[in-house]
Amino acid sequence: QSVLTQPPSVSGAPGQRVTISCTGSSSNMGAGYVVHWYQQLPGTAPKLLISDNSNRPSGVPDRFSGSKSGTSASLAITGLQAEDEADYYCQSYDKGPSAFYIFGTGTKVTVL
Amino acid sequence: QVQLQESGPGLVKPSETLSLSCTVSGGSISPYYWSWIRQPPGKGLEWIGYIYYTGKTAYNPSLKSRVTISEDTSKTQFSLQLTSVTAADTAVYYCARQAGFAMDVWGQGITVTVSS
Repeated sequence: QSVLTQPPSVSGAPGQRVTISCTGSSSNMGAGYVVHWYQQLPGTAPKLLISDNSNRPSGVPDRFSGSKSGTSASLAITGLQAEDEADYYCQSYDKGPSAFYIFGTGTKVTVL
Repeated sequence: QVQLQESGPGLVKPSETLSLSCTVSGGSISPYYWSWIRQPPGKGLEWIGYIYYTGKTAYNPSLKSRVTISEDTSKTQFSLQLTSVTAADTAVYYCARQAGFAMDVWGQGITVTVSS
């Protein structure tokens, strides 16, 4: 089954910039499908953070930004804050033998 | 604004059928896709399947043989059935609205444990 690979964890001090990578393949992001990012605070449901590679839904701070190139995507958090400590997941669409939606393996962001 | 609420039993016995409902309030089911996603304890997210407001469905290939997603005639609820459950199906189950390929509105989730 296709999967999007993320680093298990990243960390940074308050105010710093951190980035989370999301690596896919030619059957998903490499085929031109967009990537979305979700933030999951402890004990809560995921929340859409970035849609269509780089769009921030209303209410999402501009500290969060997304980009995509080829088979990879990145989520950047600038001016890291304590409330950003959460799990982050990328998500895309895979056109494999049976097309379906796939999530990344998830990244835990720790604010030092 | 639209809100989603999952409901159903929190405990299911092995080999039985897991049945959950998602109630949509504050908005219309059309013209969106509506998905089920699950998250095993301490693990990542897994897309289960979706239903379009027309009734069209699609499922994760790894679960396809055991999953049925349907909508009720009132068009304000959609449901998930997962047959022949095992301990591996223990998870938090979320329903979500899809806008394009993104899940833009999520329910709070419901914990389902498979145990005798």
